[in-house]
Amino acid sequence: GAVVSQHPSWVICKSGTSVKIECRSLDFQATTMFWYRQFPKQSLMLMATSNEGSKATYEQGVEKDKFLINHASLTLSTLTVTSAHPEDSSFYICSAMPRGFSYNEQFFGPGTRLTVL
Amino acid sequence: KQEVTQIPAALSVPEGENLVLNCSFTDSAIYNLQWFRQDPGKGLTSLLLIQSSQREQTSGRLNASLDKSSGRSTLYIAASQPGDSATYLCAVRMDTGRRALTFGSGTRLQVQP
Repeated sequence: GAVVSQHPSWVICKSGTSVKIECRSLDFQATTMFWYRQFPKQSLMLMATSNEGSKATYEQGVEKDKFLINHASLTLSTLTVTSAHPEDSSFYICSAMPRGFSYNEQFFGPGTRLTVL
Repeated sequence: KQEVTQIPAALSVPEGENLVLNCSFTDSAIYNLQWFRQDPGKGLTSLLLIQSSQREQTSGRLNASLDKSSGRSTLYIAASQPGDSATYLCAVRMDTGRRALTFGSGTRLQVQP
């Protein structure tokens, strides 16, 4: 149990285009999902916290108009990178916190590698 | 602001050695601490989770300890194998407020056959 999927696993796009990444909790409901970004040989940095039915909370320095987050259901959160540029190339990982649990554990997706040409 | 540091940044050992990875955090008001493994280009695999009230957790050849008051955790790997080669990440969750994890920069481990 507690499986989180991400789609796509990798994507290559041209500069200026928008890319949508999906994060799904497959066998549980998640009221909260988190989006992290990881640059090569660096650790994961939190981008935003996504709460079902409400606006996402963005970390300082993360542009909310560039990284659009939608958490429309208890099993799906999406991250849209708008007008992507080469500096947005990174590994994006989501995690989900099961509904009704304490703060005990988050479950991570396998990540999406974005390359912007 | 919580900061998590991992030492060493990289480690290369011969197969069979026992080794210790270190993690320190600046704010001791944590809810729990988690160790992950990450293979190149892949997502995270959770290894061990220690609640703030616990001192250690064990899983197979892995043992993680937590000294909350001093802001330290160690991951002990016994009898290392080439398959253990990966990056090991330490992450903490705060006791109040933010529920997201704060990650260290990781230790890249290479076990030589």
